[in-house]
Amino acid sequence: GNSVTQMEGPVTLSEEAFLTINCTYTATGYPSLFWYVQYPGEGLQLLLKATKADDKGSNKGFEATYRKETTSFHLEKGSVQVSDSAVYFCALRDSNDYKLSFGAGTTVTVRA
Amino acid sequence: SQTIHQWPATLVQPVGSPLSLECTVEGTSNPNLYWYRQAAGRGLQLLFYSVGIGQISSEVPQNLSASRPQDRQFILSSKKLLLSDSGFYLCAWSLRGVETQYFGPGTRLLVL
Repeated sequence: GNSVTQMEGPVTLSEEAFLTINCTYTATGYPSLFWYVQYPGEGLQLLLKATKADDKGSNKGFEATYRKETTSFHLEKGSVQVSDSAVYFCALRDSNDYKLSFGAGTTVTVRA
Repeated sequence: SQTIHQWPATLVQPVGSPLSLECTVEGTSNPNLYWYRQAAGRGLQLLFYSVGIGQISSEVPQNLSASRPQDRQFILSSKKLLLSDSGFYLCAWSLRGVETQYFGPGTRLLVL
């Protein structure tokens, strides 16, 4: 079956620090990969996505590269801000399925 | 542009009472619709999805049910709530054949 494994949080950083959130996946087909972000008290927003191997998704200074050889989609940002404090979810949608499979989420807190 | 609405935003209900959460999508036709639950400190679990009016697929056995009486309306219901039904309920939509799902603002349910 499909599954997504994220690094456990919580993660606490200072402003302008480098952020990495690891995500690895297992899929039976050819999945598309996503990062969603959930700000406090809100629903999920799509942050970025990649639909095939070696694609790089990017948005708001965040990047993630679809690595088929390591089945990974790690999220990175070079310089975080307090406003980046949120829960980040890695997800996949297999090519033969409707559903999104989510990781457990990683809580990130950025301190001024 | 497309928008997705959920209501109520917050709900406190006693154990054994009924439940009805509503989700509507604007600006698109024939969307796929999804209900997810996010328990406290955990990831998202897909509960139901629908590819058309009256077509509901259930992902997990539970005392919840879903209905789709209109193309852009998705309702989550229960006849008798359990304590374990507490959580954050998210509705999402996607276009047919497109991987990305877009989420509503969510309903926070507390069963006492």
